[in-house]
Amino acid sequence: QSILTQPPSASGTPGQRVTISCSGSSSNIGRHTVNWYQQLPGTAPKLLIYSDNQRPSGVSDRFSASKSGTSASLAISGLQSEDEADYYCAAWDDSLTGLFGGGTKLTVL
Amino acid sequence: QVQLVQSGAEVRKPGASVKVSCKASGYTFTDFYIHWVRQAPGQGLEWMGWINPNTGLTNYAQKFQTRVTMARDTSSNTAYMELKSLRSDDAAVYYCARDPNGNFFLDYWGQGTLVTVSS
Repeated sequence: QSILTQPPSASGTPGQRVTISCSGSSSNIGRHTVNWYQQLPGTAPKLLIYSDNQRPSGVSDRFSASKSGTSASLAISGLQSEDEADYYCAAWDDSLTGLFGGGTKLTVL
Repeated sequence: QVQLVQSGAEVRKPGASVKVSCKASGYTFTDFYIHWVRQAPGQGLEWMGWINPNTGLTNYAQKFQTRVTMARDTSSNTAYMELKSLRSDDAAVYYCARDPNGNFFLDYWGQGTLVTVSS
């Protein structure tokens, strides 16, 4: 069971906006930046969001993220079929441990 | 362009060791941490630890403290992860990934190395 808690699944129809939550604690999300990764089937994870809400070059502006206290969320607007993937939040912890959420499988209906 | 190229798939028996390599190119190897992350079949991502290629300093997840060794060779820009005393639940894809600033954001990943543990 992951210390960072994500819903196991999420879904939406094309064009919709979906959000994925990530809940942690004061020793991780509350004190360290949150990063988000997208993993398409059979591929390595890809950095989607870093430092709570920053998009790397080349990542669509349909992806956005925010953080408040010990929780964070990822939003995907204008949902497309190619967004179907697993999404992971991640944060450093005061115990000098890297933490990943359990992952959320996004299905585009 | 930045690339992390990992060694090929491995098959080991329980109790054996495996060593995975991660060759970096396209950037200054010693300027960025290398993390190792694994993913068991159908499961999520699990952080194993990092190495600072500049100093050789390592930080391992407590779960792997007694069984993992991370090392680097700056002459070949290669990082290594060795896991000993393999068990069946160590079967996974092992990834290396680069960290630009120590904030645990992994901006480039290797392609992954499948390790199978079977008698």
